[in-house]
Amino acid sequence: QSVLTQPPSASGTPGQRVAISCSGSRSNIGSNTVNWYQQLPGTAPRLLIFLNNQRTSGVPDRFSGSRSGTSASLAISGLQSEDEADYYCATWDDSLSGWVFGGGTKLTVL
Amino acid sequence: EVQLVESGGGLVQPGGSLRLSCAASGLTFDSHAMTWVRQAPGKGLEWVSSISGVGTRTYYAGSVKGRFTISRDNSKDTLYVQMHSLRVEDTAVYYCAKYHSNVAERGWFDPRGQGTLVIVSS
Repeated sequence: QSVLTQPPSASGTPGQRVAISCSGSRSNIGSNTVNWYQQLPGTAPRLLIFLNNQRTSGVPDRFSGSRSGTSASLAISGLQSEDEADYYCATWDDSLSGWVFGGGTKLTVL
Repeated sequence: EVQLVESGGGLVQPGGSLRLSCAASGLTFDSHAMTWVRQAPGKGLEWVSSISGVGTRTYYAGSVKGRFTISRDNSKDTLYVQMHSLRVEDTAVYYCAKYHSNVAERGWFDPRGQGTLVIVSS
């Protein structure tokens, strides 16, 4: 019952490209920029992408973000085993005057 | 290098209180709004509360409004959250994070700490 909707899981083989979607509404994604967080197993989350498509320092350019209308997407190309993690989208919601997160997507590298 | 170190977690009974702290270093603390985010065991991330750089504006998730109070002491580079009337569903790892600016809305924030675990149980 998260405000932002993400698929619970995604998978791909090494070298493949995968995309994770994040769906919201006019009051959140439709009005504000989207950030993506990566949480490797057993670790704290870290900021991966901000302002829809800006990579945090040290994030490889295999990671890219986009936003269109009330949806956003995180794409990972050239998938690697170390990309196996949980990914969360987040944005400000004008109606709630607070931040909202997606439920998270568990990425498995087969 | 920016460091955020959370502390104050522990086991508390339902209805009890707890105060978490987040000590910051490597940044001009009052230039950054700050936020608390939590993660229940096996669950996703949930925003809890945010505060502006000078502490004049605060925001709360509906699930904690009226029970939690966020504050900061810029002279000590420390962020706090005072939690009252704790419920079993407040059990989570609590992370603090810094905003990119001193405004506590929109934009982005970056968690840097390892979190502190709060367990609410009888």
